[in-house]
Amino acid sequence: AQKITQTQPGMFVQEKEAVTLDCTYDTSDQSYGLFWYKQPSSGEMIFLIYQGSYDEQNATEGRYSLNFQKARKSANLVISASQLGDSAMYFCAMRESDTGRRALTFGSGTRLQVQP
Amino acid sequence: DAGVIQSPRHEVTEMGQEVTLRCKPISGHDYLFWYRQTMMRGLELLIYFNNNVPIDDSGMPEDRFSAKMPNASFSTLKIQPSEPRDSAVYFCASSQTRTGGNGYTFGSGTRLTVV
Repeated sequence: AQKITQTQPGMFVQEKEAVTLDCTYDTSDQSYGLFWYKQPSSGEMIFLIYQGSYDEQNATEGRYSLNFQKARKSANLVISASQLGDSAMYFCAMRESDTGRRALTFGSGTRLQVQP
Repeated sequence: DAGVIQSPRHEVTEMGQEVTLRCKPISGHDYLFWYRQTMMRGLELLIYFNNNVPIDDSGMPEDRFSAKMPNASFSTLKIQPSEPRDSAVYFCASSQTRTGGNGYTFGSGTRLTVV
């Protein structure tokens, strides 16, 4: 089974609108972390936001927020007020921590295109 | 802080040649990761180190791949002999033990093309 599933290969959004990128995960660990990264066309991996499994509040970082629904095992990224510079690939990732493992497992990504 | 430094940025080599990719992690980071990104397989973990010791190399494709971390400030990923299917972007990343969320820093990647 896929550890991280991103079901939207591509998304379009109008500039200044909000967009939600979906991510579901599969783990039996009690302690885990969920991450979102942005990869623009230049190729670098840019950290956006993190949510720990024990965090009671949804994480927010500026225009980014993570809609964490633990029972549904989903960790959707919400980008408010989209900008042209938000056009990029977005990856959801998970770190399963019960065994002390530190590596991240990535989803297949969603390509977001922001239209003027 | 210069971040995670990878070299070279681009490498084009002929099939059968040896390729060495290099990584300098952030000073003080005790974890180092090598990932490979392809269109077909996405981002996949190859190997990671803790305090210079390999912890998990289950993602290393085959014996043609080897990785070393001789000290805390340097790691190499070697492919010998290289094959066209090794063409990919190879990322190095580092992190600290005590870091929770945003402690994973990626290098700019090495784009490898094997012809």
